[in-house]
Parts: sequence; structure tokens; C-alpha cells
Amino acid sequence: DQQVKQNSPSLSVQEGRISILNCDYTNSMFDYFLWYKKYPAEGPTFLISISSIKDKNEDGRFTVFLNKSAKHLSLHIVPSQPGDSAVYFCAASDSGGGADGLTFGKGTHLIIQP
Amino acid sequence: DAGVIQSPRHEVTEMGQEVTLRCKPISGHDYLFWYRQTMMRGLELLIYFNNNVPIDDSGMPEDRFSAKMPNASFSTLKIQPSEPRDSAVYFCASSPAKLGGRETQYFGPGTRLLVL
Repeated sequence: DQQVKQNSPSLSVQEGRISILNCDYTNSMFDYFLWYKKYPAEGPTFLISISSIKDKNEDGRFTVFLNKSAKHLSLHIVPSQPGDSAVYFCAASDSGGGADGLTFGKGTHLIIQP
Repeated sequence: DAGVIQSPRHEVTEMGQEVTLRCKPISGHDYLFWYRQTMMRGLELLIYFNNNVPIDDSGMPEDRFSAKMPNASFSTLKIQPSEPRDSAVYFCASSPAKLGGRETQYFGPGTRLLVL
């Protein structure tokens, strides 16, 4: 049973427009959420995170929104650039439960069209 | 900073052979994680260490898998004997000591394993 779900395997967006990647989770104990970006033949790299005490975190072109009641988070990229084309993974952790590993979604392949 | 180093980057082996994957975490990081990525299951945690001690190995799929961390700068993940279904990309990640339970994990480039 997947505890972190990214229901869109791929997403195509025009350069300059907004990219919105979605993630849902089922485990109510998760209190820390991260987005990782992955290029082919490389490891995932950290992009942005959000604690459950917040509902928004912004870093340059990247903003993550958290809706705890809906157990939903989203990553907004604006404006989208060609270098943003990559696979984006949503991840979650239960930092207070002693479990330190991350639970990942299966990823969304973002394609930025010129 | 060299980041997390993994070797080999690619490994092709025959079923039944022993496979050893290696990882050097970022210096000063207290946590080391092994993940596996497959098409079917995505990225899943296999095992992690804190200060060289295995903390949670519940993600290790079978007894054929074992992991060690003999010192703070080196870890191995061993598969013996290997099977075709072990074919995947194996990632090692490390993170600093937890401050309030929230620390970013830094991933290596991965080892792409193919078992024939």
C-alpha cells in the first residue's frame, strides 16, 4: 500500500508557464515533506521542503503548498524553464516517530516544452 | 565537497553471483541510507544506519541482502546470491545529525545493477 502517491506519471508544460506537481499521502503521522528532482543517470537532489506546521514554503521559482486536512501537497514552479525537465519525487517522513527514512512517491516526469 | 560517492556505477552479473555495492557518505554525516529504485515499486528504503549502527532494516527484501558500515566513511550492500529480480538502481544517501528530526538527505549517483 503506497503511503505517498503521485498520480501523474508525466506532465508537459510550456516554457514560461506554471508547472504544478501534485502529491497525496495517507499516513497522518507524516510531518515533514520534501521534493526531490532527478535527472537521468544521477541521484535525486533536494529541492524544497515543508514542515507540517506550515502551509506554504517558497524558494525562488519553487513553492510548496501543504493541505494537511486533505493530506495533499503540491509543488509550483513558475516560470517553468527547460532545465526544469526532470523527474520530481515527493517524499515524506515521520520525524517524531523515530523512523528516519523517507517514503517516496513514484515520481512525476515533468517535460518543459520550448 | 565530493558528495556521496558510490561504486561501481554499473554492474552486470549472472544469477547466483555475489554482488557488493559500495558507498562513501559525506564527511561528518551521521546517517547513511540505502534505497532501491525499480519501475514497479519506485524508490524504497532498504536500511539505514546512525553512527555506523544499523537502525532499521525492515526494508531489506530477503536474507540474501545484507549491509554493513564498518566505519563512518564506508558502507557496503551485499546481495548473495543475486537474482534477476534484484535488477534495479541502488542509491546511497547520507544526512547530518537530526536537529528537530528534519534533515535533508543527500543522494549518491546510484549503482545500476543488472542480474542476468
